[in-house]
Amino acid sequence: TQLLEQSPQFLSIQEGENLTVYCNSSSVFSSLQWYRQEPGEGPVLLVTVVTGGEVKKLKRLTFQFGDARKDSSLHITAAQPGDTGLYLCAGVNAGKSTFGDGTTLTVKP
Amino acid sequence: GAVVSQHPSWVICKSGTSVKIECRSLDFQATTMFWYRQFPKQSLMLMATSNEGSKATYEQGVEKDKFLINHASLTLSTLTVTSAHPEDSSFYICSARGRTGPRYEQYFGPGTRLTVT
Repeated sequence: TQLLEQSPQFLSIQEGENLTVYCNSSSVFSSLQWYRQEPGEGPVLLVTVVTGGEVKKLKRLTFQFGDARKDSSLHITAAQPGDTGLYLCAGVNAGKSTFGDGTTLTVKP
Repeated sequence: GAVVSQHPSWVICKSGTSVKIECRSLDFQATTMFWYRQFPKQSLMLMATSNEGSKATYEQGVEKDKFLINHASLTLSTLTVTSAHPEDSSFYICSARGRTGPRYEQYFGPGTRLTVT
């Protein structure tokens, strides 16, 4: 079984602060994806990282894939209330996604 | 981006009845569809994987006779929860995987909230 551990599980910060969410596994993945999910809705894909060591930026969000393709991080700069939501990482192998436990982020104005 | 729809978006049923949830890929052909369930404040748990025209592959611990999956076409998969019980109440999410560009991508539906009374 391929397990993905996310940390922290819950995070509550003030608007303008920076934060990092981690996604770790003992398994190697062909790619890793990050999603954001709002209550009562399906997950929305933010990014897919494929190459070990790869870094992708999406406005204030920076995603990094570990060199060994076992872990990833999501860094948000100057968080805004609109960033509030559940962030999920998912490791992909053979077309099947395994989801992490999720990180619930609350950004207070 | 590609769109995946689910119907209904929410359903309330009585214990012992069966409920069917539809998942459609609206603008691409989905060679594979996945069904997940999600409990409040928890992550998505994969229930089964279905390929068009073949039987679904269920994850360990998921009863195939209780959660019937049909993937009859490249744009439609259905999940039927048979003889539903209150513990089946959950958020059910489907995703569809198909080629929408140079690569195969996976897109998620908006989810179906099932409440069994």
